[in-house]
Amino acid sequence: AQSVTQLDSQVPVFEEAPVELRCNYSSSVSVYLFWYVQYPNQGLQLLLKYLSGSTLVKGINGFEAEFNKSQTSFHLRKPSVHISDTAEYFCAVSDSPGTYKYIFGTGTRLKVLA
Amino acid sequence: GAGVSQSPSNKVTEKGKDVELRCDPISGHTALYWYRQRLGQGLEFLIYFQGNSAPDKSGLPSDRFSAERTGESVSTLTIQRTQQEDSAVYLCASSLGFNTGELFFGEGSRLTVL
Repeated sequence: AQSVTQLDSQVPVFEEAPVELRCNYSSSVSVYLFWYVQYPNQGLQLLLKYLSGSTLVKGINGFEAEFNKSQTSFHLRKPSVHISDTAEYFCAVSDSPGTYKYIFGTGTRLKVLA
Repeated sequence: GAGVSQSPSNKVTEKGKDVELRCDPISGHTALYWYRQRLGQGLEFLIYFQGNSAPDKSGLPSDRFSAERTGESVSTLTIQRTQQEDSAVYLCASSLGFNTGELFFGEGSRLTVL
């Protein structure tokens, strides 16, 4: 069965510093990978997705992620964070682009400090 | 509406009582999903609707849980004889169809069973 691991439950970082949020998955078949973000008092929204093609995926708000099949990872990065990036970030995997059974990680709470 | 709407946003109930959670998806979205998030855990798939039929109910934790959907509109998740382990945030999401790769989430209904 597929699983998703987000090792860091919380990541504090100073404003304008770079950040990487880690996501590893386990699967022996093709995978499709997603990052969702949940801002305070809001629903989850899609940040970016990898379905096929280039392994470097760019999303909203300056975030990007790289699909690394050999390391089964899909880490999320941003070169310079803002206070407004403070949120919870969820990595998710599915075995087809539109399957309803997304498997979500436990989330990483990013706290950007002034 | 503009987004996925869920009600109530918070519900506190006594063990053994029944609760109903409502989800109003984005207009025109044919697919609707229910997830559960218990404290410190990832999102757990419960059930999926395509139109008003539910092809996959395998995520429902027990027969105390049921859900229905009226056409391509409102869905209700019902939990009978609630138990303390039912305490969680119940998230609803919708998508344009089955194969779009993006879910639009509501803010969730936080259920606390005393």
